[in-house]
Amino acid sequence: DAGVIQSPRHEVTEMGQEVTLRCKPISGHDYLFWYRQTMMRGLELLIYFNNNVPIDDSGMPEDRFSAKMPNASFSTLKIQPSEPRDSAVYFCASRRQGSGANVLTFGAGSRLTVL
Amino acid sequence: GESVGLHLPTLSVQEGDNSIINCAYSNSASDYFIWYKQESGKGPQFIIDIRSNMDKRQGQRVTVLLNKTVKHLSLQIAATQPGDSAVYFCAENYNNDMRFGAGTRLTVKP
Repeated sequence: DAGVIQSPRHEVTEMGQEVTLRCKPISGHDYLFWYRQTMMRGLELLIYFNNNVPIDDSGMPEDRFSAKMPNASFSTLKIQPSEPRDSAVYFCASRRQGSGANVLTFGAGSRLTVL
Repeated sequence: GESVGLHLPTLSVQEGDNSIINCAYSNSASDYFIWYKQESGKGPQFIIDIRSNMDKRQGQRVTVLLNKTVKHLSLQIAATQPGDSAVYFCAENYNNDMRFGAGTRLTVKP
């Protein structure tokens, strides 16, 4: 099992540019979560999906952020336009429904720097 | 200007000693708790979990204690090793909403 796969691992962009982060969850996992980690705020839940449907997006900072899950094996988090305060590590995590526990498996993260 | 960030609590222990990392959670309705370990440049990794109907659970070299009265979790690591150096997060779950604490940085001195 390759685990949760995120890309890119690192991205440096300029303010105003569009950023797209990608995630491939573990096969068979039907929950997918996007988290953001910063020194200021720690680990924050942005949005999560169940069976490709967004369930709770109350953590998404503002309209510049959007997330999609077109199928069970792929999700994107998009920031448009990006701002320096969006600089953070973005983690994707997944888990299986009905596993009897809520253990998330995290990807390695995408480190975003907006200049 | 100078940025103000989270000041992670730090625990420094000698190799071979036992470590105790503490966490206060916020939601008395949380029914499930997890400890994660995050090494530099990696995502958080599951260590051990406990449900709210338990007060203690043991794993290999790790023990989690839950005190619901004061909403407190602790993680005990026996015979701490250099490879245990990392940031440790507690997480509380209620209705699929998993919230993470600020984390504690554990440093193991050889």
